[in-house]
Amino acid sequence: NAGVTQTPKFQVLKTGQSMTLQCAQDMNHEYMSWYRQDPGMGLRLIHYSVGAGITDQGEVPNGYNVSRSTTEDFPLRLLSAAPSQTSVYFCASSTGYRGTGELFFGEGSRLTVL
Amino acid sequence: AQSVTQLDSQVPVFEEAPVELRCNYSSSVSVYLFWYVQYPNQGLQLLLKYLSGSTLVKGINGFEAEFNKSQTSFHLRKPSVHISDTAEYFCAVSSGESNFGNEKLTFGTGTRLTIIP
Repeated sequence: NAGVTQTPKFQVLKTGQSMTLQCAQDMNHEYMSWYRQDPGMGLRLIHYSVGAGITDQGEVPNGYNVSRSTTEDFPLRLLSAAPSQTSVYFCASSTGYRGTGELFFGEGSRLTVL
Repeated sequence: AQSVTQLDSQVPVFEEAPVELRCNYSSSVSVYLFWYVQYPNQGLQLLLKYLSGSTLVKGINGFEAEFNKSQTSFHLRKPSVHISDTAEYFCAVSSGESNFGNEKLTFGTGTRLTIIP
């Protein structure tokens, strides 16, 4: 039972480089989201999706792009990495419509931007 | 808009002692409340949740929480902690009034629980 799978687990980038964090879930969940975790700030919502083809911005969307072409996958793209994007990123999914809101999290992707 | 306050960023507790981790929320609508636990180098997993009904909610690993609407609180408790409870604990809130949107959780800043042998 894989649940939510994130790759890579660790990544080091130079300022200005681009990359994609991958997220896949095998629970047929409608809702998927990306959070970033920073010390003393808890988790902040970056982008979310309520179904294939539908995405929306969360609390801290600047510098990130997402797309949702399938139910299973929800990649997060950093277009031009900045040191302020050094963080731990979590993908999470949930059942969606009329759900209780319980989120299932991946194990995280630790990104360092030099 | 909703928000969550976890006043204690770190809580050290002796093994087998009781613990309470505090969580207060603000919201203009009815809410769903959650506690998540994050063990070192892992993702978050659900500890317990309050959706409706009984205000005392029991979760995994012997934890429980009490929803207090008048005080807008959802404190987490355990009567006797173990070394394995060392982790970071996050309180979270979502709106309980819509068919969609319940998943947009707002998290607190977390409380790091350290168990002292």
